Amino acid sequence: KAGVTQTPRYLIKTRGQQVTLSCSPISGHRSVSWYQQTPGQGLQFLFEYFSETQRNKGNFPGRFSGRQFSNSRSEMNVSTLELGDSALYLCASSGSGSAQETQYFGPGTRLLVL
Amino acid sequence: AQSVSQHNHHVILSEAASLELGCNYSYGGTVNLFWYVQYPGQHLQLLLKYFSGDPLVKGIKGFEAEFIKSKFSFNLRKPSVQWSDTAEYFCAVNAWNTGNQFYFGTGTSLTVIP
Repeated sequence: KAGVTQTPRYLIKTRGQQVTLSCSPISGHRSVSWYQQTPGQGLQFLFEYFSETQRNKGNFPGRFSGRQFSNSRSEMNVSTLELGDSALYLCASSGSGSAQETQYFGPGTRLLVL
Repeated sequence: AQSVSQHNHHVILSEAASLELGCNYSYGGTVNLFWYVQYPGQHLQLLLKYFSGDPLVKGIKGFEAEFIKSKFSFNLRKPSVQWSDTAEYFCAVNAWNTGNQFYFGTGTSLTVIP
């Protein structure tokens, strides 16, 4: 099976712009989670989607949003970018979204905000 | 809210030395516990996980971890490290039945010197 894929891999934006990141989960997986990874904070949970519904949400401002399509692919959007949004954004998928399941991570999208 | 602490930020060991990485979490309920590893240039991948039963769990590549409920700890161990174990290690927790809302520690960077 192909792994989790994320596009684009690298992105440079300027403050105030918006950005959309894409994640394709492993075939058959229905749960997709998004994380922000920064050197000082580690991985911070953004949100999880399951069957096109947001099931869990982390403690991030409303500028961060997402959605999931019927084929389980997910997009994450960040509006009005700030310098502090520079980070590696990781997507992870699992089958049924059970808390005991292994999450499979993608390579990430590295976002730089200037 | 849950939180995860990894007290060792950077660890440097010589090959064949023993490894123990600390992980403590704060959450009053039943939790699922995970260790993930990120080798240089690779995706995050699961090392091992604990849900219930024997508190000593074994994972891939000779790693093991012990869940001590009274100490809210889930320390990772390996009796003899190899150069190829050089990586970043993340401890993660989620609540028993709340889906995939994971809380990650800030990570421990392990460097093994040949």
